Amino acid sequence: DAEITQSPRHKITETGRQVTLACHQTWNHNNMFWYRQDLGHGLRLIHYSYGVHDTNKGEVSDGYSVSRSNTEDLPLTLESAASSQTSVYFCASSETVAASYNEQFFGPGTRLTVL
Amino acid sequence: RKEVEQDPGPFNVPEGATVAFNCTYSNSASQSFFWYRQDCRKEPKLLMSVYSSGNEDGRFTAQLNRASQYISLLIRDSKLSDSATYLCVVNKRTGGFKTIFGAGTRLFVKA
Repeated sequence: DAEITQSPRHKITETGRQVTLACHQTWNHNNMFWYRQDLGHGLRLIHYSYGVHDTNKGEVSDGYSVSRSNTEDLPLTLESAASSQTSVYFCASSETVAASYNEQFFGPGTRLTVL
Repeated sequence: RKEVEQDPGPFNVPEGATVAFNCTYSNSASQSFFWYRQDCRKEPKLLMSVYSSGNEDGRFTAQLNRASQYISLLIRDSKLSDSATYLCVVNKRTGGFKTIFGAGTRLFVKA
């Protein structure tokens, strides 16, 4: 069965360190997204990609970067981790942006703590 | 003001009750609408799309009112397993594609 996975599931790091969160999907979806979820804010879009070598900034992109070298993977990098980046991170993918029905399939999430 | 607003709840209801959630959106360019369900410490999953004519899926009914810019979710005959957070999701196309998630409404169904 097709799926979307994230690793690690839990991560504790220190302020200033570079951290990379992995996201891998086997749906063969062109579109991939990274969100963070914090209490009271819901899901906020960090970065997204519509295909290989395409990346775009979301509403909370400062301090984060992504790259898309193949269809399956969209790693998220925190260049220099800050305590404000402590959050739960979800990766998602979807099949198309043109259709009115574009269900996003989410990975299980990565719980990141920055000390 | 947030683009998508939901009552955070929590809604505490007994089994068998009917409960309704509303969600308002601020951008009239919004084109498609969904309800997602998120269990505690899990990922969101699509519950149902919301169509202009309204749609039903078993005990769940979704309605859209474009004039007033709100969508609703009605759950009839609540089950313990319905306890979750329900996220209102709006897609809009204004110069680009954008999906906006509401912060969610928590539901607790008790025996």
